[in-house]
Amino acid sequence: KAGVTQTPRYLIKTRGQQVTLSCSPISGHRSVSWYQQTPGQGLQFLFEYFSETQRNKGNFPGRFSGRQFSNSRSEMNVSTLELGDSALYLCASSLGRTVYPQETQYFGPGTRLLVL
Amino acid sequence: AQSVSQHNHHVILSEAASLELGCNYSYGGTVNLFWYVQYPGQHLQLLLKYFSGDPLVKGIKGFEAEFIKSKFSFNLRKPSVQWSDTAEYFCAVNAREYGNKLVFGAGTILRVKS
Repeated sequence: KAGVTQTPRYLIKTRGQQVTLSCSPISGHRSVSWYQQTPGQGLQFLFEYFSETQRNKGNFPGRFSGRQFSNSRSEMNVSTLELGDSALYLCASSLGRTVYPQETQYFGPGTRLLVL
Repeated sequence: AQSVSQHNHHVILSEAASLELGCNYSYGGTVNLFWYVQYPGQHLQLLLKYFSGDPLVKGIKGFEAEFIKSKFSFNLRKPSVQWSDTAEYFCAVNAREYGNKLVFGAGTILRVKS
């Protein structure tokens, strides 16, 4: 079974621009979560999508948004990029159910974003 | 708010030495616990997980972890490390009512000298 895939793998943007990152979950997985990894802050939860709805959200400004499509693929968007948005953005997928059980998240390779 | 602390940021061991990485979390409710590993140049991979039942869980590559509820701890152990265990190790917790939101520790970089 193919793992979580993320595109693009690397991205360079300038301040003020916006960016869209894509994530394809493991086949059959319906929940997609996004995380930001930086040397200073570590791994931080951005949001989770399930059945095309945002189910959970971390403490990030509104410039960070996401969506999920009917095939469970997800995108995250960052508008008005700042230097501090430079990070590795990780996507994780899990089976996803209507109540919160004991789920394991499987991570993709990430998209490395550099903001100049 | 939940938080996870990993006691050591850098650990250097010789091959065949025993490993124990500490992880403590702060949350009073029911939790799921995980250890993930990130090998150089690779993505985060699951080492092991605890959901319920036997507090001693075994994972891949000879790793195990023990959940001690009274101490809010989930320490990772391996009796004899190999050079190939060189990686960064992350402890993560999610509280059942917060769904799939994982809270990660800062990570421990393990270097195994051959």
